[in-house]
Amino acid sequence: DTAVSQTPKYLVTQMGNDKSIKCEQNLGHDTMYWYKQDSKKFLKIMFSYNNKELIINETVPNRFSPKSPDKAHLNLHINSLELGDSAVYFCATSDGNSNQPQHFGDGTRLSIL
Amino acid sequence: GENVEQHPSTLSVQEGDSAVIKCTYSDSASNYFPWYKQELGKRPQLIIDIRSNVGEKKDQRIAVTLNKTAKHFSLHITETQPEDSAVYFCAASRNTGFQKLVFGTGTRLLVSP
Repeated sequence: DTAVSQTPKYLVTQMGNDKSIKCEQNLGHDTMYWYKQDSKKFLKIMFSYNNKELIINETVPNRFSPKSPDKAHLNLHINSLELGDSAVYFCATSDGNSNQPQHFGDGTRLSIL
Repeated sequence: GENVEQHPSTLSVQEGDSAVIKCTYSDSASNYFPWYKQELGKRPQLIIDIRSNVGEKKDQRIAVTLNKTAKHFSLHITETQPEDSAVYFCAASRNTGFQKLVFGTGTRLLVSP
């Protein structure tokens, strides 16, 4: 049973389209994150939610909109996709009330044609 | 904001040798320093972490040292094996709860048999 699962694993789409990536965790953690890993392997945080509340919002274009319907889910919707959005997007979770590390999902590889 | 520098970008060693990866951070308030291993096409996985109240931590062949005064920390892998080949990331964060992890640029470690 995967602790942090992302869907889809691969997403190939045309420039200008709108797409969503979903993340679900069964660890009971209250904090979830989205990271972007570009072609040079740089890992950078985009957003973080704690108990469905946005707590970290880095300098990300407003075409990216995270949504947390409940503590176990954090989705990422991207409007008007651009070539530069091609990357691997990782979801991660942690327990905000204890000193425990973040656990990453398997990633979603987004390719923009 | 926090900036984490990581060196070297690539490291090639022979099986059985030791490998050392070094990171420096800029935010003196950072107090949590995890190391992640990422194999090709896989998710980052935590291998060891250290908090600012200790100077060294060891787990079998892996050790991490922290020098708060100099603001640098290092990963040491002894008796390297081909399975250790991967990209290693250091990271730094102010909090251990809502962790805004800032990652280094990664080190590609290649262990040759």
